[in-house]
Amino acid sequence: DTAVSQTPKYLVTQMGNDKSIKCEQNLGHDTMYWYKQDSKKFLKIMFSYNNKELIINETVPNRFSPKSPDKAHLNLHINSLELGDSAVYFCASSQRLAEPTNEQFFGPGTRLTVL
Amino acid sequence: QKEVEQNSGPLSVPEGAIASLNCTYSDRGSQSFFWYRQYSGKSPELIMFIYSNGDKEDGRFTAQLNKASQYVSLLIRDSQPSDSATYLCAVISGYSSASKIIFGSGTRLSIRP
Repeated sequence: DTAVSQTPKYLVTQMGNDKSIKCEQNLGHDTMYWYKQDSKKFLKIMFSYNNKELIINETVPNRFSPKSPDKAHLNLHINSLELGDSAVYFCASSQRLAEPTNEQFFGPGTRLTVL
Repeated sequence: QKEVEQNSGPLSVPEGAIASLNCTYSDRGSQSFFWYRQYSGKSPELIMFIYSNGDKEDGRFTAQLNKASQYVSLLIRDSQPSDSATYLCAVISGYSSASKIIFGSGTRLSIRP
């Protein structure tokens, strides 16, 4: 009964390749997010979706394209991978955007290594 | 200036002592404040949130918020080795659909037996 799941857990690939990370939540939440955590542990939001609608799109290169087929899924596709894309990518969900608590439930993370 | 600042540590505290973690934020309009704990190789998990000035206690954890001084802190009483982790401070400004949560870079806490 995993709350937020991501696949794959590890991803090792060559520069220039295209890859996807999948995320699913079974919490019934309306909002989902993608975060990038670099080697210094800095966790930065990339995108957020509310009921399949893109709400937040931080200054992320166009090579990153999120897709939300339904409110329980948010996938991340990355084109033309670069060395600087190496990081841990976390998917998260929260019940609703506009709430004081707005607890984020994180997936286990996908460690992406670009060679 | 970073939006949410934390001392990266490591902060070393003897077992049984009080660990004090601090966080400052730049946006005066910030409304909600969170402390997440992240064990090495794991995902962050929420410990506490606070949105009113003052103290909020939950077991061994106390969050303290001072909006006038723009800081939020986390106290861990009777520190245990299992508290050794990175603690991430996070802040939300506003409650519109464009609100986003901004994390600090975390403080690494080490509890020595």
